[in-house]
Amino acid sequence: DAMVIQNPRYQVTQFGKPVTLSCSQTLNHNVMYWYQQKSSQAPKLLFHYYDKDFNNEADTPDNFQSRRPNTSFCFLDIRSPGLGDAAMYLCATGDRSYEQYFGPGTRLTVT
Amino acid sequence: DQQVKQNSPSLSVQEGRISILNCDYTNSMFDYFLWYKKYPAEGPTFLISISSIKDKNEDGRFTVFLNKSAKHLSLHIVPSQPGDSAVYFCAARDDKIIFGKGTRLHILP
Repeated sequence: DAMVIQNPRYQVTQFGKPVTLSCSQTLNHNVMYWYQQKSSQAPKLLFHYYDKDFNNEADTPDNFQSRRPNTSFCFLDIRSPGLGDAAMYLCATGDRSYEQYFGPGTRLTVT
Repeated sequence: DQQVKQNSPSLSVQEGRISILNCDYTNSMFDYFLWYKKYPAEGPTFLISISSIKDKNEDGRFTVFLNKSAKHLSLHIVPSQPGDSAVYFCAARDDKIIFGKGTRLHILP
């Protein structure tokens, strides 16, 4: 089945210790998105790639970076996680801008 | 400053009855509206959408209504089933998708 996969599903990191979350897709979609969702909040778009074209949201902190080495994979790097970065991180893909396919998410805990 | 608002954090509905989930928005430039459904430990899944040039879209038990003058849309589920218990996100598009906070729907036996 075509799908969006996120690894790991749960990640614990220490305050200030860099962490990388990964996303892969078998849908062959051009667009890949990263969202941050905190408890009882709306998913918040951090950035997205249209093919290799990176689009950062204006309010995404510099602490968050992303890489897309090929169509299938996209990574979210948090350079120095703070306690406020604890959240669910959702990856999504799309071939049109209005319909997105989400992975199951990675829940990040910062200790 | 929320552009997409779901003012009911939760809703309980008897099985077999109609579930109505509401959503309000502030940006008149939104041209497309979507509903996503999310089960625990899973990502949101697309449910139904509506273009701003329409006022109704139906797909099986799910119907979305759009009232542009009121900047309001609603999702109707008829009849409600136990598997409909989930969090429902309203979303809207201008140059990107903006999500509401979600409404948790409980279907009671």
